[in-house]
Amino acid sequence: KQEVTQIPAALSVPEGENLVLNCSFTDSAIYNLQWFRQDPGKGLTSLLLIQSSQREQTSGRLNASLDKSSGRSTLYIAASQPGDSATYLCAVVNTNAGKSTFGDGTTLTVKP
Amino acid sequence: EAQVTQNPRYLITVTGKKLTVTCSQNMNHEYMSWYRQDPGLGLRQIYYSMNVEVTDKGDVPEGYKVSRKEKRNFPLILESPSPNQTSLYFCASSYYGEQYFGPGTRLTVT
Repeated sequence: KQEVTQIPAALSVPEGENLVLNCSFTDSAIYNLQWFRQDPGKGLTSLLLIQSSQREQTSGRLNASLDKSSGRSTLYIAASQPGDSATYLCAVVNTNAGKSTFGDGTTLTVKP
Repeated sequence: EAQVTQNPRYLITVTGKKLTVTCSQNMNHEYMSWYRQDPGLGLRQIYYSMNVEVTDKGDVPEGYKVSRKEKRNFPLILESPSPNQTSLYFCASSYYGEQYFGPGTRLTVT
């Protein structure tokens, strides 16, 4: 059974810092990995999708990498802003493109 | 506007009273899925559907039913709700694996 772990569970940084969020998974037979953002009491907003054949994706200040062999993905946020404060979730879709497993998330607080 | 919609957004009901949460997407996606989110347990997949008339169990299917008679709709049915099904429910649809989520349905079963 796929297990997804996110470390750290919570992170507090001053505005302007670059930071890295980690996501690890136990079964490397994945179809893709997707990073989401969730604000308190809200739904999920897709940030980046990495297909299993890709190594990284970039969108603005965000960069996500994928290393299937080690079962790891990282989300890099450059020049953090208070508006980046939210919970960040990673989700892995298994090879049959059906079953999806989420990590528990990293709650990020960016202080002005 | 491309979107996934869920109804109702909030629901308070009593134990044993059958209910349906609707999910609809206007993006012609083949894949749809239901999740529940609980504090300390994260998001867990209930059921998913790869296409019309094709459904499969996720990690926590007990107590739930689904059907996929049309590509755009994927309702979640609770035949006899119990208090342990109190949760925040999300529907999602997917294009080439990229999932798009609905706004969520907060269900309370008393």
